[in-house]
Parts: sequence; C-alpha cells; structure tokens
Amino acid sequence: EIVMTQSPATLSVSPGERATLSCRASESVSRDLAWYQQKPGQPPRLLISGASARATGIPARFSGSGSGTEFTLTISSLQSEDFAVYYCQQYNNWKTFGQGTKVEIK
Amino acid sequence: EVHLVQSGGGLVQRGGSVRLSCVVSGFTFRRRWMSWVRQAPGKGLEWVANIKEDGSAKYYVDSVKGRFIISRDNAENALYLQMNNLRVEDTAVYYCARDDAGFDYWGQGTLVTVSS
Repeated sequence: EIVMTQSPATLSVSPGERATLSCRASESVSRDLAWYQQKPGQPPRLLISGASARATGIPARFSGSGSGTEFTLTISSLQSEDFAVYYCQQYNNWKTFGQGTKVEIK
Repeated sequence: EVHLVQSGGGLVQRGGSVRLSCVVSGFTFRRRWMSWVRQAPGKGLEWVANIKEDGSAKYYVDSVKGRFIISRDNAENALYLQMNNLRVEDTAVYYCARDDAGFDYWGQGTLVTVSS
C-alpha cells in the first residue's frame, strides 16, 4: 500500500497570506495525485487532479505541483472560505489518502 | 447538473447488515467507474471499494474484503454497497463518488453506526 504523508498537520495562516501544503508518497505515484478541500459536515470537493490540473470551477488561487513522491498545494492568497481541511490522494496504485492538513485562521 | 443522492445507513448492531444506495443523475452513469469512500468520526478519508463501468470488475480495501459487496444497476443509474458482518470500526460516514482521475463528484454522505 502506498502511504501518503501530509505536512503540517495544522497550518495557521492570516487571510490574504499564502499557504503551502505538502504531501509525500511512500513510492512514486507519477502525477496521479489529487487534492481535496473538506469543510465540516460536507463531502470533500475535488480541487486538483493530475497533480496540477484545477477541477471545474476551482479558483486560480489554488495551484498544485510536483511529481513522483513530492507534491505541493499552494493557496496564493487565503480567503475566508478557504479555511478547511485539505487531503491529498494518490490513484496510481489503488487509492490512498493522506491524513489531512487543517488550515486555520491565525 | 450532476447529482448523487444517497440513502440507507443508520444504526446497526455488530454483526448485522445494511445496504447503501446512491442514485445518480447528470452524467452517463454506465460509462463511469464509481467508488465508495468512508470517513470515521473525526478522522480522515478511506477508499472502500470501486466498480467498473459494466460491473465486470470490483475492488475492495483489505479491511472489507469478504464482507462488503459493491454493485450497480446501470438501467436505474444506481450504485449500491451491501455491508455484512459489520464491525464497530466500520462506523463512518459513507460517500459514493464518481471515480475518475480523483473523485470528482460526491454524494452527500450517509452515516452508518455499528453498536456493540
């Protein structure tokens, strides 16, 4: 099983600042990597697939990068609606999720 | 507009069974892989099972193999998860999701609580 490790567990950021979230795979997943946003009581929302392709309707302030085992989700200027939990997920070999990064208001 | 509407779930005793349903609209269901994903209370996401477009291939996470059965009815645009021999650790919100490069559409989720 490919283990996905996200860091940090919690990220405290002020509105308008940049947020950088990391995701590491235990072995290469090529670019078969997705990012999700989840708010309390809601299902996850797909933000990024293929490591860097924004899903339909996702604002340009969200960007993804990386390949192989190291990936990054960047939120260029945090808006109030962006405070949530973010998950990475690989779909190269079965499907496994990271444990999540909570982005909270500083 | 895409909709995935879930039903089923609730409170069930350990060792019991429950069936979840997910009815889809807004895309050609028979041409898409579908998955179930779960989330234990206060925890992260775990992929549970998926099924090929025509139902000819099914895959499961190890912890549910032999107990859960994923199926679909393409005539009814419906996805199912039959959950048998339930364990306390199966307690979670279960989501159906369209399985593409990532999970791009999700149901609203349904809570299954397994009591001891």
